[in-house]
Amino acid sequence: RKEVEQDPGPFNVPEGATVAFNCTYSNSASQSFFWYRQDCRKEPKLLMSVYSSGNEDGRFTAQLNRASQYISLLIRDSKLSDSATYLCVVNAESKTGFQKLVFGTGTRLLVSP
Amino acid sequence: GAGVSQSPRYKVAKRGQDVALRCDPISGHVSLFWYQQALGQGPEFLTYFQNEAQLDKSGLPSDRFFAERPEGSVSTLKIQRTQQEDSAVYLCASSQPGQGVVVTEAFFGQGTRLTVV
Repeated sequence: RKEVEQDPGPFNVPEGATVAFNCTYSNSASQSFFWYRQDCRKEPKLLMSVYSSGNEDGRFTAQLNRASQYISLLIRDSKLSDSATYLCVVNAESKTGFQKLVFGTGTRLLVSP
Repeated sequence: GAGVSQSPRYKVAKRGQDVALRCDPISGHVSLFWYQQALGQGPEFLTYFQNEAQLDKSGLPSDRFFAERPEGSVSTLKIQRTQQEDSAVYLCASSQPGQGVVVTEAFFGQGTRLTVV
């Protein structure tokens, strides 16, 4: 089983739609959670961190459910520019004790006019 | 610039050739990571440096892969006797925290797209 699992999509939605992505992680000791955005042929960039209490940044809302070990990202009022791959990222402690970032496969979003 | 810089951006290698990929992290960043991203997949962890010390190389797929960061800044990922399955984008990322501190934001370079023919 992969450490971080996501539905690869693609999710095809019209402009203005609300879309939600989920992600599950296997390591219950994980402490930090993030959503990264990756545009085609570009590097991943941090979209937002995910906090236990849930957090919102404009049209984007992230939530964490530690008991079920899943993370969600909600995008309201989708824009064409939201088309990208959204990577769920979880920290994991390696055998040497450092924290590394473990990435999901990514969920591809396509927003159409 | 102020971001993570990788070179070359694109590399075509003949099978069996050795390649070296360079990463210039953000100045002052202690942590440096290398990831491999195959087409349609998320980045997969390869190795991690804290300053010049390589603290984890568990993700390196074989002994043909070697990474170094001798002065704690620039890092080089070397692949010997390249194979077709090595074709991927190699991403370098740097962040501020060191060992034992929860990683916050990692800043990625644009990657090196390696194609082995």
